[in-house]
Amino acid sequence: AQTVTQSQPEMSVQEAETVTLSCTYDTSESDYYLFWYKQPPSRQMILVIRQEAYKQQNATENRFSVNFQKAAKSFSLKISDSQLGDAEMYFCAYFETASKLTFGTGTRLQVTL
Amino acid sequence: EAGVAQSPRYKIIEKRQSVAFWCNPISGHATLYWYQQILGQGPKLLIQFQNNGVVDDSQLPKDRFSAERLKGVDSTLKIQPAKLEDSAVYLCASSLSGGLADTQYFGPGTRLTVL
Repeated sequence: AQTVTQSQPEMSVQEAETVTLSCTYDTSESDYYLFWYKQPPSRQMILVIRQEAYKQQNATENRFSVNFQKAAKSFSLKISDSQLGDAEMYFCAYFETASKLTFGTGTRLQVTL
Repeated sequence: EAGVAQSPRYKIIEKRQSVAFWCNPISGHATLYWYQQILGQGPKLLIQFQNNGVVDDSQLPKDRFSAERLKGVDSTLKIQPAKLEDSAVYLCASSLSGGLADTQYFGPGTRLTVL
């Protein structure tokens, strides 16, 4: 079974600084997708960014970017110019054909002034 | 475009009672998912529908949980009878076809408390 590991239960960053959230996964597949979702207190999971395993180029969405290391099975999220509104729970997730979306346990991000 | 709708947002019941949750997916999305998210954990898939057929219900506790998706649109998830360990957030999600390149879009969830 696929597993997704987020080893940082909590992270803290100062406003306007950069923070990186870690995620590793385990799979024997070659084609799959990886996602970062954020979950505010309202509980709705909101897609932040996604990456296809076959694409070499790291995905970027405004201040959010990923560092995808396929051989190392690592998929970290970098948030640049952190804002107070970025303080949420972040979940890494893995998806492959004919399987289910598998989530990590989440990282709570705190943003301080 | 309207997102995934869920109701109710909160529900408090006593153990052994029954409860039902409702989900309306994004228009045109063939695939619908129900997840259970226990406090401090990531969501776990309970059941996946493709139109009105079940694709995966391997992690659904079938002795107490049931779900249906009549006419391939709205879905209901029922728990009968509820146990204390069923206290969780129940999230509904939908995607266009369930394919590898699809993104799942989530609703706001229902927080269930079983006393």
